Amino acid sequence: QVQLVESGGALVKPGGSLRLSCAASGFRFSDSYMSWIRQAPGKGLEWLSYISYSSSSIYYADSVRGRFTISRDNAETSLYLQMNNLRAEDSAVYYCARHHTVTSGVAAFDIWGQGTMVTVSP
Amino acid sequence: SYELTQPLSVSVALGQTARITCEVNNIGNKNVHWYQQKSGQAPVLVIYRSYDRPSGIPERFSGSISGNTATLTLTRAQAGDEADYYCQVWDSSATSYVFGTGTKVTVL
Repeated sequence: QVQLVESGGALVKPGGSLRLSCAASGFRFSDSYMSWIRQAPGKGLEWLSYISYSSSSIYYADSVRGRFTISRDNAETSLYLQMNNLRAEDSAVYYCARHHTVTSGVAAFDIWGQGTMVTVSP
Repeated sequence: SYELTQPLSVSVALGQTARITCEVNNIGNKNVHWYQQKSGQAPVLVIYRSYDRPSGIPERFSGSISGNTATLTLTRAQAGDEADYYCQVWDSSATSYVFGTGTKVTVL
């Protein structure tokens, strides 16, 4: 079935790094735009980054630009988020999500993973 | 930065209609999407392109736009509809996606 499964969440110290993965199945991953979205405990949703199907277009939210890097491996049907110089305010559940269309201006997120928890604490 | 303003909470009696609003500055021709997030679960898309329902979403969920306000309407509310609801748009000037502040819906 159509599925996204995140992994890689952990407890990390401030200034540390972490790499999240998102394994896709049940749909044509190589034709899909993908995003990372996070949710701090008790807070709302925050979009972080998206990547086009060919990796030719990549965008970041101001809060993570320069620290986080999104990438994908279409052969492995996997999406990644490399997170460096982590801060306490990066503590959140991180979701990967599929765009329902490749047109950025109209895209909704129609498939979500279950999320993986990242905690940044001494 | 672009902001989408939603009421913090909405209460609705069982079987009645709830309306959740999302104020969108200069909504223009923006597409507004809506998500339902139940406690401890990932969000689920319930309305896309302001009016359309994904397959599997009940007809009780509908979307509309009037002026600069997008509205998610939930008719014949059920206990299972209790959740947080978020609107979302694309901010072309910032090349970023923006979520609303979220609305907690309580079914009484």
